Amino acid sequence: ETGVTQTPRHLVMGMTNKKSLKCEQHLGHNAMYWYKQSAKKPLELMFVYNFKEQTENNSVPSRFSPECPNSSHLFLHLHTLQPEDSALYLCASSSGQGMAGDGYTFGSGTRLTVV
Amino acid sequence: DAKTTQPNSMESNEEEPVHLPCNHSTISGTDYIHWYRQLPSQGPEYVIHGLTSNVNNRMASLAIAEDRKSSTLILHRATLRDAAVYYCILVRFGNEKLTFGTGTRLTIIP
Repeated sequence: ETGVTQTPRHLVMGMTNKKSLKCEQHLGHNAMYWYKQSAKKPLELMFVYNFKEQTENNSVPSRFSPECPNSSHLFLHLHTLQPEDSALYLCASSSGQGMAGDGYTFGSGTRLTVV
Repeated sequence: DAKTTQPNSMESNEEEPVHLPCNHSTISGTDYIHWYRQLPSQGPEYVIHGLTSNVNNRMASLAIAEDRKSSTLILHRATLRDAAVYYCILVRFGNEKLTFGTGTRLTIIP
């Protein structure tokens, strides 16, 4: 356990389904992140939340909808996905103080397969 | 953002030291040097970070060149569990954003 918990670990969904990924941390961190890792590609930053406010959206399609109800929880709502959206989705957290001297803590990820 | 350059892959024998290089010739004065690693089927894991001085922790050591244009992550005695992709990332003070490159895939030979 890293301190960042992601559920589910694996998810298979059809292109017309709606599902949500959940991320939870109790490390006292104030920043949370969603990353996407496709096969043989670097991790791509999708969304950044600082103190529950979205501060970055890296041109992510609207079929991915993040939600951050509090500093400890982060969701990624999925709807009408495409097969190319199949990937490992990783959540991370950090202090959010901008000190650059703190590390990120990552969850183990959700392996998503869109069929 | 300042970029880093790492070899795509490296091999090392078990129980021997490993030196993983990283070049960052455009580093700015407020960029911290961070290292993460990603084991198979897991999320990345923080390893170590530094600004100017060499750093040691229980996992590894970080040697930073005097001009800060390069650094080396040192695993003092590699084990099979150290086989992973190692990422060298610059993180700017005031902006904690982590931008990953392709990293170095380290293979440990028994």
